[in-house]
Amino acid sequence: NAGVTQTPKFQVLKTGQSMTLQCAQDMNHNSMYWYRQDPGMGLRLIYYSASEGTTDKGEVPNGYNVSRLNKREFSLRLESAAPSQTSVYFCASSGRSSATNEKLFFGSGTQLSVL
Amino acid sequence: GDSVTQMEGPVTLSEEAFLTINCTYTATGYPSLFWYVQYPGEGLQLLLKATKADDKGSNKGFEATYRKETTSFHLEKGSVQVSDSAVYFCALSPPLGGSYIPTFGRGTSLIVHP
Repeated sequence: NAGVTQTPKFQVLKTGQSMTLQCAQDMNHNSMYWYRQDPGMGLRLIYYSASEGTTDKGEVPNGYNVSRLNKREFSLRLESAAPSQTSVYFCASSGRSSATNEKLFFGSGTQLSVL
Repeated sequence: GDSVTQMEGPVTLSEEAFLTINCTYTATGYPSLFWYVQYPGEGLQLLLKATKADDKGSNKGFEATYRKETTSFHLEKGSVQVSDSAVYFCALSPPLGGSYIPTFGRGTSLIVHP
């Protein structure tokens, strides 16, 4: 019963490098999310996907792109990493709609450092 | 828009002390309310929730009551343990009909000393 799986767990990049954070869920959830967590800032939504084939910007989308590859997978790409993107990144998923007020399930996070 | 305000931390307590973490919200309609907990090095997980006014959510000795008149959902525990040391997030559900994007508070760190 894996839930939400994120890879990698840790990553160090140099400024300007690119990378993709992978996320997969096995709960047949429609909605998936990418958050970043910074000290004193709480969780901030980067992008979300309400269903397969759709993605939308959240609060802090600049510098990121996403792909909802299929219902299971939602990846986050940093095309040209900057030190301001040093953070802990969480992927999450939830059930079908706001009608059911489903809780979010979170992955264990990716700690990213950009030097 | 919707918002959640939590007391700033860290909250530092001795083992067996009483815990209260305040949470107030602003929302349209009648949202569901949640408390999530994040243990060190882990993602958030749901601790408890309440879906309507006067409901009490409870789990692992923690409780929170949905107070519509004061727009609050304060988290309480009668006797904390060292293992309760974590960051606690209050959250509310969005209005019905739109995309499901909960609103989170900034989190409150709890440190429990032996």
